[in-house]
Amino acid sequence: SAVISQKPSRDICQRGTSLTIQCQVDSQVTMMFWYRQQPGQSLTLIATANQGSEATYESGFVIDKFPISRPNLTFSTLTVSNMSPEDSSIYLCSVEDQGSKNIQYFGAGTRLSVL
Amino acid sequence: EDKVVQSPLSLVVHEGDTVTLNCSYEVTNFRSLLWYKQEKKAPTFLFMLTSSGIEKKSGRLSSILDKKELFSILNITATQTGDSAVYLCAMGYNNNDMRFGAGTRLTVKP
Repeated sequence: SAVISQKPSRDICQRGTSLTIQCQVDSQVTMMFWYRQQPGQSLTLIATANQGSEATYESGFVIDKFPISRPNLTFSTLTVSNMSPEDSSIYLCSVEDQGSKNIQYFGAGTRLSVL
Repeated sequence: EDKVVQSPLSLVVHEGDTVTLNCSYEVTNFRSLLWYKQEKKAPTFLFMLTSSGIEKKSGRLSSILDKKELFSILNITATQTGDSAVYLCAMGYNNNDMRFGAGTRLTVKP
């Protein structure tokens, strides 16, 4: 399985600021995914990021709020913009297993608290 | 509407007990059903099931899928305190879509 490094592991931010989360994979992958997990909730997909194209956002998520970059096949970033306390969540990146594209492997996650 | 429903939402047992976690789903274009264990932040992959009736087993954990009745179970035998976690069921469908259930929070007491 791929090794995924995600940082920062946690951060405390002020309302109105932005935070960029980085996700680095040790192998080239076609698709990377960004999820949000609000307190006590399950994972909700924010967007799917393919290298060389615009990210595809799920209903309820927009590019202005969650801009995503995918400059190459091993790296992606998610920015949480103009943060409010409602953005306090765990943010997770994942990649598809290259052997079995049914399986996704996850980074360690970023725990974000917005004051 | 595509959905994944897990039960129970939480469960408290004592070490040595056996537990069964349930996951039912509704979807078109089903591909696979996956189980993950989430202890802190990152879900770790346990099993992927694509065929009915074939048990997947890893140590004290096992899982099986019933594609006719649209459910899966995850069994943990001889539970240990280290099994305490949230267990997530996820459904893969269409080309690369995945939907997660709400999870079952398992607490194993010494």
